[in-house]
Amino acid sequence: QLLLQESGPGLVKPSETLSLTCTVSGGSIISSGYYWGWIRQPPGKGLELIGTIYYSGSTYYTPSLKSRVTISVDTSKNQFSLKLSSVTAADTAVYYCARQDYDKYYDSGSYFDFWGQGILVTVSS
Amino acid sequence: DIVMTQSPDSLAVSLGERATMKCKSSQSVLYSSNNKNSLAWYQQKPGQPPKLLIYWASTRESGVPDRISGSGSGTDFTLTISSLQAEDVAVYYCQQYYSSPVTFGGGTKVEIK
Repeated sequence: QLLLQESGPGLVKPSETLSLTCTVSGGSIISSGYYWGWIRQPPGKGLELIGTIYYSGSTYYTPSLKSRVTISVDTSKNQFSLKLSSVTAADTAVYYCARQDYDKYYDSGSYFDFWGQGILVTVSS
Repeated sequence: DIVMTQSPDSLAVSLGERATMKCKSSQSVLYSSNNKNSLAWYQQKPGQPPKLLIYWASTRESGVPDRISGSGSGTDFTLTISSLQAEDVAVYYCQQYYSSPVTFGGGTKVEIK
């Protein structure tokens, strides 16, 4: 069974950089059939895609966050990571890592079939 | 971006009764080339991550009970729980993957009446 686990600080100061890592177990991150993504959910609110990465390093970032986001992959550790710079209180959320199915026909990501448990990151001084 | 609008925001249904919720996309998510709708449904219980229920609008994920079904095409979609069980209490989200960025609806909260 595939497992994803987020790790990183639960508290980040305003203007600093949020850094999280997702460790994948029970399967390889080097898979031609999947993207790996970060999704966040502010307390009591809905879901927002931050971005995704393919094991080759190819990335997609949601345009509204693109200027502040970097997603990277470490295939040797079966991990991928998120950095979000210049954070504000509006970035307070539960951050999930998830596996996104890759649709070969349309060469794009589709639905998310495995999710980590999520990590609450609070931006506060 | 495609905007996904879910309704109602919440609904209360008696145990054993039918629960129906809607999801509407701001543009069609139907691939005309293969007649498939790029629409997924998720269930999220308190303190848990979302769980994939349905993809391609009507394909049930493995292990999802057959009382949960998805239907619709183009811009209008429905998730139905045919006989509500206590374990179905959750927030349900739809998601389109027709175009980037993928976007989610605001959710429908299902409670027991």
